[in-house]
Amino acid sequence: LAKTTQPISMDSYEGQEVNITCSHNNIATNDYITWYQQFPSQGPRFIIQGYKTKVTNEVASLFIPADRKSSTLSLPRVSLSDTAVYYCLVGEWGFKTIFGAGTRLFVKA
Amino acid sequence: DARVTQTPRHKVTEMGQEVTMRCQPILGHNTVFWYRQTMMQGLELLAYFRNRAPLDDSGMPKDRFSAEMPDATLATLKIQPSEPRDSAVYFCASGFSGGNNEQFFGPGTRLTVL
Repeated sequence: LAKTTQPISMDSYEGQEVNITCSHNNIATNDYITWYQQFPSQGPRFIIQGYKTKVTNEVASLFIPADRKSSTLSLPRVSLSDTAVYYCLVGEWGFKTIFGAGTRLFVKA
Repeated sequence: DARVTQTPRHKVTEMGQEVTMRCQPILGHNTVFWYRQTMMQGLELLAYFRNRAPLDDSGMPKDRFSAEMPDATLATLKIQPSEPRDSAVYFCASGFSGGNNEQFFGPGTRLTVL
């Protein structure tokens, strides 16, 4: 399983764009990159997944460079309710999933 | 709105007692995961099942923990005997293999072992 490295925490202000980068130098050919969000007292929630280039949905964008050794989750115009822990996961579907420590995002008014 | 359900939501017990946590995965999902979350260790994968068969339980202390899927609508995680270090939030998640990597998490069971 590819190991992932993310910043421990980040601060932002409402209305700003937030970019959280995850390093996964040992990513394998069949690995996908998946991001989850977790609020206090809740289970993680799927945000977005990608394999290469750029993926966008109604919540976020995921940028993956050609070498796929890193990925960046982009949250446009964050609000206070985006304060949460964000996890980057790398792996094939259905195989053992390792959640790292995640990135604690604090959004301030 | 399909959801993973878990019971009980909270459990307080004394050391040495048996604890059983239950999970109902989303109908149609064929993969079920059990996780444990603590402040110190974060989210740890304990075990996961595909089509009710255990695929990996290497994250689970075998001497006291056991996980089963009696049928497709029920997954159980048992701890016997429980110890204070088992205090944590236990999450169940389900998903469908062959699709994307999305796991749908339940609300968790908060276990406190005194």
